[in-house]
Amino acid sequence: EAGVAQSPRYKIIEKRQSVAFWCNPISGHATLYWYQQILGQGPKLLIQFQNNGVVDDSQLPKDRFSAERLKGVDSTLKIQPAKLEDSAVYLCASSLGRTGEQFFGPGTRLTVL
Amino acid sequence: KQEVTQIPAALSVPEGENLVLNCSFTDSAIYNLQWFRQDPGKGLTSLLLIQSSQREQTSGRLNASLDKSSGRSTLYIAASQPGDSATYLCAVLDDYKLSFGAGTTVTVRA
Repeated sequence: EAGVAQSPRYKIIEKRQSVAFWCNPISGHATLYWYQQILGQGPKLLIQFQNNGVVDDSQLPKDRFSAERLKGVDSTLKIQPAKLEDSAVYLCASSLGRTGEQFFGPGTRLTVL
Repeated sequence: KQEVTQIPAALSVPEGENLVLNCSFTDSAIYNLQWFRQDPGKGLTSLLLIQSSQREQTSGRLNASLDKSSGRSTLYIAASQPGDSATYLCAVLDDYKLSFGAGTTVTVRA
């Protein structure tokens, strides 16, 4: 069974530029998550989708971050404009349902200069 | 707000020694608890999931226990190997949200 796919794996941008990350979850998983992991810390949930609807975006900085999950399958996370403090690893995860075991992708390491 | 703590932050042991990793959480009304492994520059690999109604879960050399009433979980890794070197994170699910500890970085010396 294929795991969670993410691209790109690495991205370096200047501050105030925009960037987008892509995630394809495990087939059949209804719930998709985006996390931000800053070096030395555990991941922090940014947004949670159930099928193609947002069920939790309470920790998403909505003035600069946006996410969508069209057709309830793959998802994109966008940052516009980026700040230095956005440098982190962005992890995508999926699960069968909102209380199920979560499986993570390899992550995208973002560096903002 | 759920707070998850993992102590110690780092651990170094000789090969063959058993590992004991601790996790504590502040709100005992959890749905489940997951232990993950993270290798440098990689994503998280799920090791074990314990439902709130369970006391322990085992997979190979790994055993995780859960004491929900006291807000504690312990991950045991028997007969450690250099390949076990990684960061281990625990996470608790409550209110449909997974809250993570900062992890314990383990080094197994050959």
